[in-house]
Amino acid sequence: AAGVIQSPRHLIKEKRETATLKCYPIPRHDTVYWYQQGPGQDPQFLISFYEKMQSDKGSIPDRFSAQQFSDYHSELNMSSLELGDSALYFCASSPAGVTYNEQFFGPGTRLTVL
Amino acid sequence: GQQVMQIPQYQHVQEGEDFTTYCNSSTTLSNIQWYKQRPGGHPVFLIQLVKSGEVKKQKRLTFQFGEAKKNSSLHITATQTTDVGTYFCAGPGGTYKYIFGTGTRLKVLA
Repeated sequence: AAGVIQSPRHLIKEKRETATLKCYPIPRHDTVYWYQQGPGQDPQFLISFYEKMQSDKGSIPDRFSAQQFSDYHSELNMSSLELGDSALYFCASSPAGVTYNEQFFGPGTRLTVL
Repeated sequence: GQQVMQIPQYQHVQEGEDFTTYCNSSTTLSNIQWYKQRPGGHPVFLIQLVKSGEVKKQKRLTFQFGEAKKNSSLHITATQTTDVGTYFCAGPGGTYKYIFGTGTRLKVLA
């Protein structure tokens, strides 16, 4: 069965650089969530999209922006990277039409900021 | 803001022993989800509870939603080494937003 695809899987950047993380949801899933997980921490909700429109926002820094495209894939853009941005970034998707659906998580992108 | 706490933070058990993790929300929840994350892996959905007092079972796992819909528990009977991982509860904090609990890391000693 198709799963959520995230790219790249690993990313190393220098401070003050920019990064773009991509997420391809499961086909016919119209909701995408982004989470940030530090070592030994719980996933922190960043932002979500439903039908290509931003839905909810969490603890996402102003330096980050995200969007969902017409093909439902989503990108998280991170600028002026800081050491503290080093973390695992998960994208998750949910099936169309129903709120409070289970979230299918991708394998994550491990971002290291040097 | 909304907080979801879990206890204990860590639990080491001998294989065959039972395990329980408790989840407490600062606000009433319309539903609660449980996820398992293996070391080095991603969260995997286990179950969703919606009704007050609801109890659901999946083989050796028993999930319960409190009467006030502010707490939940996950009980594993006769743990196995395959149960190793971190168990998270998650409650809705918006239309398409979930707040994850602090997690309970389970280690099973063979």
